[in-house]
Amino acid sequence: EAQVTQNPRYLITVTGKKLTVTCSQNMNHEYMSWYRQDPGLGLRQIYYSMNVEVTDKGDVPEGYKVSRKEKRNFPLILESPSPNQTSLYFCASSPPRGVGDNTEAFFGQGTRLTVV
Amino acid sequence: AQSVTQLDSQVPVFEEAPVELRCNYSSSVSVYLFWYVQYPNQGLQLLLKYLSGSTLVKGINGFEAEFNKSQTSFHLRKPSVHISDTAEYFCAVTETSGSRLTFGEGTQLTVNP
Repeated sequence: EAQVTQNPRYLITVTGKKLTVTCSQNMNHEYMSWYRQDPGLGLRQIYYSMNVEVTDKGDVPEGYKVSRKEKRNFPLILESPSPNQTSLYFCASSPPRGVGDNTEAFFGQGTRLTVV
Repeated sequence: AQSVTQLDSQVPVFEEAPVELRCNYSSSVSVYLFWYVQYPNQGLQLLLKYLSGSTLVKGINGFEAEFNKSQTSFHLRKPSVHISDTAEYFCAVTETSGSRLTFGEGTQLTVNP
């Protein structure tokens, strides 16, 4: 089954304690991205990756890091989490443009992070 | 740069009534348009998309949307809603030459009995 898998689904942590949210896709997609969802703001892109070892900032990258060492994995790293990073996070992947009608982005189930 | 505005943050309706969720976009280049639905405690699921061709697009669960280039709109409609349609709906846009999705703020649709 084609899917994007995020872990953990729920996480409560304390300010300053480094954490990683994992994301893995099994569709051989080149493009992957991270979003955060906050009430009234919709989904805002944090970072994205066009391919292995190619990453770039989205709209709200401050306080986050990513890496793309393998095509299937795109972890989100919070080196020193703060309460304003309490949010619902989504990982997504999609095939490259120009590949037939493959325009759909596939989303993980989300990770609800609370930083106290 | 592209942007999306969803004109209603909350839309309450009664069961079996028609509904329209409004979406306007801004872009200097050609775009693809999407509607995603998010049921409680779940991820986002694609409802429908406009790539090219007919401006009226039909999606899953009886939803449809109409692309209006002159008004830069992509409103979502359903002629008769069910309780199970209660969810948050997101309009999104991407440039035809790119992969980056830009989302609107979301519209919470609540269907009451």
